[in-house]
Amino acid sequence: EVQLVESGGGLVQPGGSLRLSCAASGFTFSSYWMSWVRQAPGKGLEWVANIKQDGSEKYYVDSVKGRFTISRDNAKNSLYLQMNSLRAEDTAVYYCARDNEYYYDSSGYLIPLLAETFDYWGQGTLVTVSS
Amino acid sequence: QPVLTQPPSSSASPGESARLTCTLPSDINVGSYNIYWYQQKPGSPPRYLLYYYSDSDKGQGSGVPSRFSGSKDASANTGILLISGLQSEDEADYYCMIWPSNAWVFGGGTKLTVL
Repeated sequence: EVQLVESGGGLVQPGGSLRLSCAASGFTFSSYWMSWVRQAPGKGLEWVANIKQDGSEKYYVDSVKGRFTISRDNAKNSLYLQMNSLRAEDTAVYYCARDNEYYYDSSGYLIPLLAETFDYWGQGTLVTVSS
Repeated sequence: QPVLTQPPSSSASPGESARLTCTLPSDINVGSYNIYWYQQKPGSPPRYLLYYYSDSDKGQGSGVPSRFSGSKDASANTGILLISGLQSEDEADYYCMIWPSNAWVFGGGTKLTVL
């Protein structure tokens, strides 16, 4: 059974840092891109970042570039999100999710395969940024 | 990032069909994108439903009933999630998603009420 279990959320002051973890099991973690997706209270879903199987490629939503870093440890079947310079607008439930596979087209654009994306999600961990 | 427009709410009665839409901005063509759909119930993470590119390129999530289906309306530049034979358990928020350029983008979501 595929399981994704997030941890590390909590209350942090504006400008502070937090590191989220996601423990994966039930599938070959090292074979999948992985993503973080967040949801502010009462709001919709927002993709945050994803990372290639070997960690060599990472992509971020513009609003977190330069502040958040996604990483993984395939030996530990774990995904991480280091969040620095946190703002009130970063307050959300953060989910890790199993991503798709990608390829580069002839123009050099990264393209997802025509296949499942975010087919498994964790239960989420709440990050609250407040003084 | 482009904005995917979903009506905030929709409603239908049990047994009827619900047609949920996801409109792409005019500068990107729905025909070029794979549209993903997710269902989320209160207090739970999203659930993957399906993806739709064309009638020959589509996929259903594991365990997702066939009464959930995807399509596109090219004239309206819109992706569509059709839920037939509505059941009370289908009451939830529904999100569409695409990958326009090195980032996943979600629509704002539609809250479906089963009357």
